[in-house]
Formats: sequence, structure tokens, C-alpha cells
Amino acid sequence: TQLLEQSPQFLSIQEGENLTVYCNSSSVFSSLQWYRQEPGEGPVLLVTVVTGGEVKKLKRLTFQFGDARKDSSLHITAAQPGDTGLYLCAGAPPTSGTYKYIFGTGTRLKVLA
Amino acid sequence: NAGVTQTPKFRILKIGQSMTLQCTQDMNHNYMYWYRQDPGMGLKLIYYSVGAGITDKGEVPNGYNVSRSTTEDFPLRLELAAPSQTSVYFCASTHIRSAIYFGEGSWLTVV
Repeated sequence: TQLLEQSPQFLSIQEGENLTVYCNSSSVFSSLQWYRQEPGEGPVLLVTVVTGGEVKKLKRLTFQFGDARKDSSLHITAAQPGDTGLYLCAGAPPTSGTYKYIFGTGTRLKVLA
Repeated sequence: NAGVTQTPKFRILKIGQSMTLQCTQDMNHNYMYWYRQDPGMGLKLIYYSVGAGITDKGEVPNGYNVSRSTTEDFPLRLELAAPSQTSVYFCASTHIRSAIYFGEGSWLTVV
């Protein structure tokens, strides 16, 4: 059973389009993190969301934590080729210890010029 | 800044062989992790540690062992390598309410 499900699994869009990536769980998380991974490298943290309903913006990226803290979304406005990569959500399930971080299934984004 | 360093970068193993992936971090982080990532997929937690002398199983621990004798080092041992263990392995560490910092990955092929 995958605790963190991401959708879509793959996304190929044209430069300038908008997109949303979802991270869903049946469990409540105290916080969720979003990472971006480029080929041949380890993931790099984009943002951490902590409070239910929280919205955080990072330039053209908008992150939202669901009110019930079971889901999160990442919205990219006017996507650029540099946004290409694997996007991963991560969190520590509350019943398994504060720092047992697991990752979602991943969304592979390709932005075409 | 070294951060998280893991070795080797690439390794080919024969079925049944054993090996150890080394991982060290210089950030004085208490929490360390080993993940594996199959092609095009997310990361699966193998083992983790909340401090020296303390380790615990993750999502996919079978076929692996770890130890944490110091805060800095967290080696991952593969016993009796199998083709199913062909993957990219990432060591990572974190501190309280901080980002998870990853090593550059170790590409392992079992033939």
C-alpha cells in the first residue's frame, strides 16, 4: 500500500501552460514536503507545508496543504523547460514516528519549448 | 561543503555477492536514511536511523542491513545480491524541521 499517491504520473506540456500535481493520502500528516529531482541527482527540497489550508508561493510555483492535512497540490504557472523534472512529495506518517520520511510515487514533468 | 557523501557511485555485482554502500554526513544530523529508486519511480525507504546505535526498518528492508555506530556514518549492507536489488540508492540525512539532504546516488546493477 502506497501511503502517498501522486497524480498524474507523467505530464508533458508546452512552455507557457499551467499545470497542477496532486499528492494524496488517506492518512493525516503533520507536514508535507515537496522535492524536485533532476536526472542523475538527488531530490532537492522546494517547500514544506505545515498548517492545514496553508498556501506557499515560490516564484511561479504555488503549494497548498489540504485543510484536513491529507493532501497537497503543486501548481505551476506558465511552465518553462527548466521546470522539467521529477516532482516528489514526502512526509512522515504520524503513526510511524516523526522522522520516518516516505516519498510519494512521483510525477515526471516534461515541458517542451 | 561536503554534505552527504556516498560511495561507490557505480557498481556491478554478481548474483549472490555482498557489498556495502558507504554513507557519511558532516552536518551533525541525527536522522539518516537509505532509499532506493527504481527507474522513473519515487523513492522507497529501506532503513532509517534516529541516532547513533538506533536503526529501524523502512518500507522495503528485506535483503539489506544497516548499522549506525557514529552520528556521521550509516552504511548499507547488501547480502546475497539479487537482480531485484538493481536500483539507484540514495543516502540522506536531516535535522529537526529541516530539509532532507541527499547524496549523489549509487547506481547498482546485479547480474
